[in-house]
Amino acid sequence: SQQGEEDPQALSIQEGENATMNCSYKTSINNLQWYRQNSGRGLVHLILIRSNEREKHSGRLRVTLDTSKKSSSLLITASRAADTASYFCATRFIAQGGSEKLVFGKGTKLTVNP
Amino acid sequence: DGGITQSPKYLFRKEGQNVTLSCEQNLNHDAMYWYRQDPGQGLRLIYYSQIVNDFQKGDIAEGYSVSREKKESFPLTVTSAQKNPTAFYLCASSILWIRGEETQYFGPGTRLLVL
Repeated sequence: SQQGEEDPQALSIQEGENATMNCSYKTSINNLQWYRQNSGRGLVHLILIRSNEREKHSGRLRVTLDTSKKSSSLLITASRAADTASYFCATRFIAQGGSEKLVFGKGTKLTVNP
Repeated sequence: DGGITQSPKYLFRKEGQNVTLSCEQNLNHDAMYWYRQDPGQGLRLIYYSQIVNDFQKGDIAEGYSVSREKKESFPLTVTSAQKNPTAFYLCASSILWIRGEETQYFGPGTRLLVL
């Protein structure tokens, strides 16, 4: 399966600490995206990193991409209770037949304790 | 206020019944998608549409049907052939793919339960 796999499945930290989530995938990608989902809600796009980029920042978010290891990490600095959510990586790649696909992983459930 | 709306928030299905989930967007996006999410799982693609009157099967289309008669609307019908329909259903939309960099905008979801 091309599906990205997040690690860890669940993460619990204290407010103010940094949270790091990892995503591994199996085949070449065009880009990798991270999304956030609050409990019982839809997903919200956080950041996109292209296959030729190594690092990207957006506010308290830092994403890295290592295409040689087929992995990405999402770092949330100075976490807040409001960051409590599930975080999903999604990889875009060209499937058999030439169609583009965006495939989501199973997510990391982050809990930030006040 | 632009965005994607899904209704209803909760839907109950009786055995043998077809039910339809609504998805509407006013973002003027060309592409629309339906995903299914089971507890502790990622999203699995049911159907997608890149243009009006055209749609493609995703990874788990069996037991589902869709239509795309208008650009802003992409309803999903869960038919009686879907034997395990209990799940959280998410609709999304995006600008038609340009260099593969479009991001998807999601609705708030519909939770389908079987009576």
